[in-house]
Amino acid sequence: AQSVTQPDIHITVSEGASLELRCNYSYGATPYLFWYVQSPGQGLQLLLKYFSGDTLVQGIKGFEAEFKRSQSSFNLRKPSVHWSDAAEYFCAVGIMEYGNKLVFGAGTILRVKS
Amino acid sequence: ETGVTQTPRHLVMGMTNKKSLKCEQHLGHNAMYWYKQSAKKPLELMFVYSLEERVENNSVPSRFSPECPNSSHLFLHLHTLQPEDSALYLCASSQGVGGGGISYEQYFGPGTRLTVT
Repeated sequence: AQSVTQPDIHITVSEGASLELRCNYSYGATPYLFWYVQSPGQGLQLLLKYFSGDTLVQGIKGFEAEFKRSQSSFNLRKPSVHWSDAAEYFCAVGIMEYGNKLVFGAGTILRVKS
Repeated sequence: ETGVTQTPRHLVMGMTNKKSLKCEQHLGHNAMYWYKQSAKKPLELMFVYSLEERVENNSVPSRFSPECPNSSHLFLHLHTLQPEDSALYLCASSQGVGGGGISYEQYFGPGTRLTVT
């Protein structure tokens, strides 16, 4: 069955430090991969997506992610974290069955300390 | 209005009440979704509508009843809910449907925070 694992429930980084959030997926076909961010009390906002082509994808707010097929990973990175990046981050894999379905990981809560 | 909107943003209801959640998308998409987000649990897909037809129902109890009158509007009718149904209910929309096509990204509304007392 398709699944997404985000091994880190919480991560704390200092403002200005680099960030990497881990995501591993299990899916038999070519994956369509997404990262979303959710601020408290809000819906999910799309940060970036991978469909095909270049394995390093750029997103909004200075985020990027790298698709590594051999490791079944799609880790999210940012070179310098801002206090406003504190939020919960979700990795998802797109499943094309009857509809356009997303399977989400459990999320990683990012805390930024000043 | 732009994007995906949801009303109400907050709802408190008793177990015997009947209420409805509304979602509207202004993106010209043809697929819409309901998700449930509970504390400490992954996002759960509840229903998928594609071209106004329900294409997925993930074993959701019948006390939740979706309705999609057109491609821009989605409702979730609620009746005789249980306290464990308290959660954030998120609506999303996307372009494209299944059957071997591309998995298009989904755009989410802000959610309705539901509390069942």
